[in-house]
Amino acid sequence: DAKTTQPPSMDCAEGRAANLPCNHSTISGNEYVYWYRQIHSQGPQYIIHGLKNNETNEMASLIITEDRKSSTLILPHATLRDTAVYYCIVSLTYSGAGSYQLTFGKGTKLSVIP
Amino acid sequence: DTGVSQDPRHKITKRGQNVTFRCDPISEHNRLYWYRQTLGQGPEFLTYFQNEAQLEKSRLLSDRFSAERPKGSFSTLEIQRTEQGDSAMYLCASSLDPSGHYNEQFFGPGTRLTVL
Repeated sequence: DAKTTQPPSMDCAEGRAANLPCNHSTISGNEYVYWYRQIHSQGPQYIIHGLKNNETNEMASLIITEDRKSSTLILPHATLRDTAVYYCIVSLTYSGAGSYQLTFGKGTKLSVIP
Repeated sequence: DTGVSQDPRHKITKRGQNVTFRCDPISEHNRLYWYRQTLGQGPEFLTYFQNEAQLEKSRLLSDRFSAERPKGSFSTLEIQRTEQGDSAMYLCASSLDPSGHYNEQFFGPGTRLTVL
């Protein structure tokens, strides 16, 4: 079962920041937080990941609380192409053998509105 | 880099027939995963290959399902005696070992199976 909880859906006005929350209260010290998104009829796409520090890349920013029990994905200027299902996933840090499969929940369906 | 490709993109079959899907991963990736996704749900892990070795299988992978990855390159997923409950999107993903790399899995576009 997924170790994360996300709201089922959110709306965001085009051009505004989209803030997608995720709770992962049972996360352990050797687990990263990953975000993937899935645009309709496509496979999931990696966005960003973090352990305990805030992270930023060309797609998004990830804010992780100090206790690591929750995080927020920020899309700074949402566009219509950002309409997708966003998945928050916790995954073990690499320590050798193992599948490191991704365990997806139902995600948050983000609708960017013109 | 052409990404992960899957063939066919869509498959309609009658109950009881066998179907086979193909996945071509990114060429240098040693890890290959199969996931299944039903409507309104996130993808669920089915099985994992490290090079040509199938190292892990989910309990979702019944004995009607078989997967191979000969020579550690492309992979096939076969479903025998299909049932209506097998209707889903079958996703393939590939990656490098996470060591020194984050666990970024690259997904293909999926094969949508409809069993009538």
